[in-house]
Amino acid sequence: QSALTQPRSVSGSPGQSVTISCTGTSSDVGGYNYVSWYQQHPGKAPKLMIYDVSKRPSGVPDRFSGSKSGNTASLTISGLQAEDEADYYCCSYAGSYTFVFGGGTKLTVL
Amino acid sequence: QLQLQESGSGLVKPSQTLSLTCAVSGGSISSGGYSWSWIRQPPGKGLEWIGYIYHSGSTYYNPSLKSRVTISVDRSKNQFSLKLSSVTAADTAVYYCARAAFWSMDVWGQGTTVTVSS
Repeated sequence: QSALTQPRSVSGSPGQSVTISCTGTSSDVGGYNYVSWYQQHPGKAPKLMIYDVSKRPSGVPDRFSGSKSGNTASLTISGLQAEDEADYYCCSYAGSYTFVFGGGTKLTVL
Repeated sequence: QLQLQESGSGLVKPSQTLSLTCAVSGGSISSGGYSWSWIRQPPGKGLEWIGYIYHSGSTYYNPSLKSRVTISVDRSKNQFSLKLSSVTAADTAVYYCARAAFWSMDVWGQGTTVTVSS
């Protein structure tokens, strides 16, 4: 069970859109529609932003959206705001009732 | 509103057993359809899923930690626990408990720091 692959960092200016990728295998991301995304500000607990690939929990702005193609899932943040600067982690169901996280991506708002 | 709070030993000696508890408030740990998870984050690194206990009592663990991990639930106290045996410095991390609703973790505790050192 290897960690999912995410870019170490991405950046964008306020108002722009950024996309964070999350690449796995057919045994995790590609095999199930159970990818979730978490936002983590420094010193804080992670917060669920997207679940089941593209669903948003109540209270999460619709600027956040998720998608998946093959073994790669993506999180897109549109209309970038300063408060979006944080670390983002993807997570996938990996079969046999197990989960695997990605290595995390640091989003910088320029 | 459901809240989770971790507690336990903040300093553990190498080769000993790490023990943490997650107290659940604002809801019942026996509610069907949920599982109760542990996740950790080494300093400056990413998240690692440790395992979870399902509302039925079934447990599921990260294969890389399975031989050292035990997750249990105390329904009378509305809490669940983590034990990690034979710890080394590599087990130093912030440990989070979380509720999983199907295949995502929707409510998290604030995390507790555990340091493994003699």
